[in-house]
Amino acid sequence: NAGVTQTPKFRILKIGQSMTLQCAQDMNHNYMYWYRQDPGMGLKLIYYSVGAGITDKGEVPNGYNVSRSTTEDFPLRLELAAPSQTSVYFCAVGYADTQYFGPGTRLTVL
Amino acid sequence: AQSVTQPDIHITVSEGASLELRCNYSYGATPYLFWYVQSPGQGLQLLLKYFSGDTLVQGIKGFEAEFKRSQSSFNLRKPSVHWSDAAEYFCAVGAPGGGFKTIFGAGTRLFVKA
Repeated sequence: NAGVTQTPKFRILKIGQSMTLQCAQDMNHNYMYWYRQDPGMGLKLIYYSVGAGITDKGEVPNGYNVSRSTTEDFPLRLELAAPSQTSVYFCAVGYADTQYFGPGTRLTVL
Repeated sequence: AQSVTQPDIHITVSEGASLELRCNYSYGATPYLFWYVQSPGQGLQLLLKYFSGDTLVQGIKGFEAEFKRSQSSFNLRKPSVHWSDAAEYFCAVGAPGGGFKTIFGAGTRLFVKA
């Protein structure tokens, strides 16, 4: 039982490149979230999903896209990477009483 | 709109001393309140939560928090701090409906000195 897994752990991108951050869960939970954490800041919600095929924007969705074709997976796509997207990205699973967080992906855009 | 303020960017306490981390929130209804801890290089772990009922809630690792509606506060406390408590602590407010969006404070980094 792995809980919430994220890949990769680290990545360096050049400006304009694209990539997909992977998030997978084995908790069979409908609710999944993507957050970003900038230095000295709390987490900001990028996108969330309340079930397969249903996604919606959070506080800071610009520059990102998501899809949710299965309950288990919730990938986050960066199409044209910009330095402002340098951050640590966390995926989370859960609703109301508890959210379980993955270990994070540290992304640097140069 | 919901918001969370953690007035202290960092706090240093001696091992064995008591701890209080401050959190103030803004929310139009009865809030869902949380405290999370983040160790370096790790994800967030839930310490405790308040939804309703007893305003003093107990969490893991010996932490507790008290909800004070009149002060819009949800301060985290621990009677005796251990060196392993050094971490970053985040207060959060949850908004039910839709995807249950959670708003996080900026965090307070706790340093523990011997």
